[in-house]
Amino acid sequence: AQSVTQLGSHVSVSEGALVLLRCNYSSSVPPYLFWYVQYPNQGLQLLLKYTSAATLVKGINGFEAEFKKSETSFHLTKPSAHMSDAAEYFCAVRIGGYNKLIFGAGTRLAVHP
Amino acid sequence: GAVVSQHPSWVICKSGTSVKIECRSLDFQATTMFWYRQFPKQSLMLMATSNEGSKATYEQGVEKDKFLINHASLTLSTLTVTSAHPEDSSFYICSARPSPGQDFLSSYEQYFGPGTRLTVT
Repeated sequence: AQSVTQLGSHVSVSEGALVLLRCNYSSSVPPYLFWYVQYPNQGLQLLLKYTSAATLVKGINGFEAEFKKSETSFHLTKPSAHMSDAAEYFCAVRIGGYNKLIFGAGTRLAVHP
Repeated sequence: GAVVSQHPSWVICKSGTSVKIECRSLDFQATTMFWYRQFPKQSLMLMATSNEGSKATYEQGVEKDKFLINHASLTLSTLTVTSAHPEDSSFYICSARPSPGQDFLSSYEQYFGPGTRLTVT
């Protein structure tokens, strides 16, 4: 069965510091992987996606993620955190013909001055 | 492009009543829509897959008689919570998958609505 595991329910960084949010996947077939961001009381916004093309994927707001098959990982990074990056981040894997998404538990990112 | 709206954005209802939540794709057609439920500080849990013109497919453990889903057009799906109870209080989020062939939209992606917060008193 396909699944994603996000390591660390809470991550706190200083403004300007590197952001690293971890996601490991389990899949018997080449996965389609996604990172979404959710601000309080809002829906989800797609940050980036991996669809078996380039292993380094660049997204919006300066985020990027690298697909590493050997490590079954798809970690999200941003070189320099901004206060506006504080939000909940979800990693997800697509399954099935209807493109159902299975979400990880989420990581809450806090950015402090 | 690819805007999904939900109405209402929040609703308070009394225990035992029913409440309907609408999910609309405003600028594209969506053969398939998804309904998720999110409890505070938790992840999204898929409740059901809604297909235009056919019955919804519910995930294991979701009561289909309690959460009625109707997908009557390519731009509208509704979720009705029947005989609501306080434990149904949650944040309900829908998403829409574009039908194939629409410019600049990927049929492999889901576009999410802003969510509806339901509080049952």
